[in-house]
Amino acid sequence: QQQVKQSPQSLIVQKGGIPIINCAYENTAFDYFPWYQQFPGKGPALLIAIRPDVSEKKEGRFTISFNKSAKQFSLHIMDSQPGDSATYFCAASAEGGGSEKLVFGKGTKLTVNP
Amino acid sequence: GAGVSQSPRYKVAKRGQDVALRCDPISGHVSLFWYQQALGQGPEFLTYFQNEAQLDKSGLPSDRFFAERPEGSVSTLKIQRTQQEDSAVYLCASSLNSATDTQYFGPGTRLTVL
Repeated sequence: QQQVKQSPQSLIVQKGGIPIINCAYENTAFDYFPWYQQFPGKGPALLIAIRPDVSEKKEGRFTISFNKSAKQFSLHIMDSQPGDSATYFCAASAEGGGSEKLVFGKGTKLTVNP
Repeated sequence: GAGVSQSPRYKVAKRGQDVALRCDPISGHVSLFWYQQALGQGPEFLTYFQNEAQLDKSGLPSDRFFAERPEGSVSTLKIQRTQQEDSAVYLCASSLNSATDTQYFGPGTRLTVL
C-alpha cells in the first residue's frame, strides 16, 4: 500500500516556468511533510518542509501548499532555472509512536529547458 | 566531516556473497536511518536507530539483512547471501534527534549483485 502518492512522474518546463508537483497521503497521523531534491549520484537534500498547522510555506523560490482536509500538498517552483533540473520527492512522517521514518513518494523528474 | 559519509560508494558482489555497508553520521546526531532506493524509485525505509538502540527494523526485507550501531555512532548494514533483487542504492541519513528534525542523507552506496 503506497502511503504517499506523487504526480506527475516527469515534468518538462521552460526556464522561468512554474512547475507544480503534487502529493497525496492516506495516513492521518502524518504531521511533518518535507520535500527533498536529488541530483544524480547524490543523496536527497531537504528543500523545504511544512507542518499541518499552516496552509502555505515559502522559502525563496520554493512554496509548499498544504490542504489538510484533502490530505494533499504540493510544491511550486517559481522562476524555474536549468539548475533546478533534478528529481523531487515528497515525504511524510509521524512524530512519536516509536518510529521516526520518512515515507517517500516515487519522485518527479523535473527538466527545466534553457 | 560536515556531512553524512558512506563507504564504499560502489560495491559489486556475486550472488551469494555477504556485503557490509558503512555509515558515518553527522557527529552528535542521535537518530540514524537506513533506506533502500531502487532505480527510478523513492527511498524506502529499512531501519532506524536512536543512539545504539534499534527502535524499528520493520522495513528490513528479509532476515538476510542486519544492521547495527554498537556505540551509537557509526552504523553498518550487512546483507548476507546477496540476491540480484538486493541491487539498489542504500542511503543512510542522520538527524539531531526526532523525525521532525531534518534528516541529512549521505551519498549512498550503489550495490550491484551479479
